[in-house]
Amino acid sequence: GDSVTQMEGPVTLSEEAFLTINCTYTATGYPSLFWYVQYPGEGLQLLLKATKADDKGSNKGFEATYRKETTSFHLEKGSVQVSDSAVYFCALSDVTGNQFYFGTGTSLTVIP
Amino acid sequence: EPEVTQTPSHQVTQMGQEVILRCVPISNHLYFYWYRQILGQKVEFLVSFYNNEISEKSEIFDDQFSVERPDGSNFTLKIRSTKLEDSAMYFCASRKGRENTIYFGEGSWLTVV
Repeated sequence: GDSVTQMEGPVTLSEEAFLTINCTYTATGYPSLFWYVQYPGEGLQLLLKATKADDKGSNKGFEATYRKETTSFHLEKGSVQVSDSAVYFCALSDVTGNQFYFGTGTSLTVIP
Repeated sequence: EPEVTQTPSHQVTQMGQEVILRCVPISNHLYFYWYRQILGQKVEFLVSFYNNEISEKSEIFDDQFSVERPDGSNFTLKIRSTKLEDSAMYFCASRKGRENTIYFGEGSWLTVV
């Protein structure tokens, strides 16, 4: 079945460091891929998405490219801020759109 | 921006009691979902709902769970007889159609004691 494998955390970075959180997927057909963010005490917020191969999703300085050849959707940011501290979830929507599959989440802490 | 709203934000209930979690999806959305997240664990799919019926459900969604769209705007999740292991954050979500972007509410924390 469809699934998402996400880099284990927690990740601790200094402010202005480069961030990569790895995400790979297994799916039938051509799923849509997403990154969601959960700030402390809050719900899930859509960060960015990509719906087809080679699409790049971007938002708030974060980017991820849908790579079909490596079945990956790694999240990157060139310079993290303390306010980026949160849990990041990679997710996949199957081709029917009926189900979302979430990764286990990666906790990011950015220290000043 | 339109959003999915959920009530209550937090509920404490005794084991064995019935609980109803309420959601108001985005108004022109047609597909509705419930997910849950046990503290520190991954987000788990419970059920999807379309055209006034359940379209898919997980093994978590047993006979103790039910969903309803009673009035065309609300979408509720009922747990008939809560257990300690039902303690979790429950997220409602909706999507319009083929775009496949699901929008989540802020969640309802359920604590069963």
